[in-house]
Amino acid sequence: RKEVEQDPGPFNVPEGATVAFNCTYSNSASQSFFWYRQDCRKEPKLLMSVYSSGNEDGRFTAQLNRASQYISLLIRDSKLSDSATYLCAVNRPKNNNDMRFGAGTRLTVKP
Amino acid sequence: NAGVMQNPRHLVRRRGQEARLRCSPMKGHSHVYWYRQLPEEGLKFMVYLQKENIIDESGMPKERFSAEFPKEGPSILRIQQVVRGDSAAYFCASSEQGNSPLHFGNGTRLTVT
Repeated sequence: RKEVEQDPGPFNVPEGATVAFNCTYSNSASQSFFWYRQDCRKEPKLLMSVYSSGNEDGRFTAQLNRASQYISLLIRDSKLSDSATYLCAVNRPKNNNDMRFGAGTRLTVKP
Repeated sequence: NAGVMQNPRHLVRRRGQEARLRCSPMKGHSHVYWYRQLPEEGLKFMVYLQKENIIDESGMPKERFSAEFPKEGPSILRIQQVVRGDSAAYFCASSEQGNSPLHFGNGTRLTVT
């Protein structure tokens, strides 16, 4: 089993739709979780951290489910500009706390 | 506050040459990571360094690849005797602590001809 797994997609949704991605992780001791956005041929950019109680930033909501070991990202009212690949990142406490990334989920928002 | 600086942005090398990729972390960051990304693929972890120490190099090929993060100066990823399969985007990221969010540089796109 991979340490961090994501559905690669692609997710093709119309503008205004709500879309959700999940990311599962294998290390139950992981404590730090993040979502990144990567546009084609550019560097990943931090979108938001994921807190235990869940957190929201505008149209984006991140949640953590420790029991099932996954994090989720919900995007409401999708915009064309949301089209990108979304990467989750999870720390590895027993491995010097380094960070592992999922392979990413590609989202295309269509007019 | 300057972000993570990588150079060069593009690097072309012939097979058998050496490639040196440089990364200056954000100010105040002492943790540096290197990742490789092939077209249409995800980020593949290569190596994690702190000042003067390699913490985890489990993702780096044992031959031809090396990395360092000296006390002074940028982190360097060195690829000796490059082959066509080394062509990829190499991203560097830095963080303040081991479990802090990573901030990425623009990447170096290596092309081996």
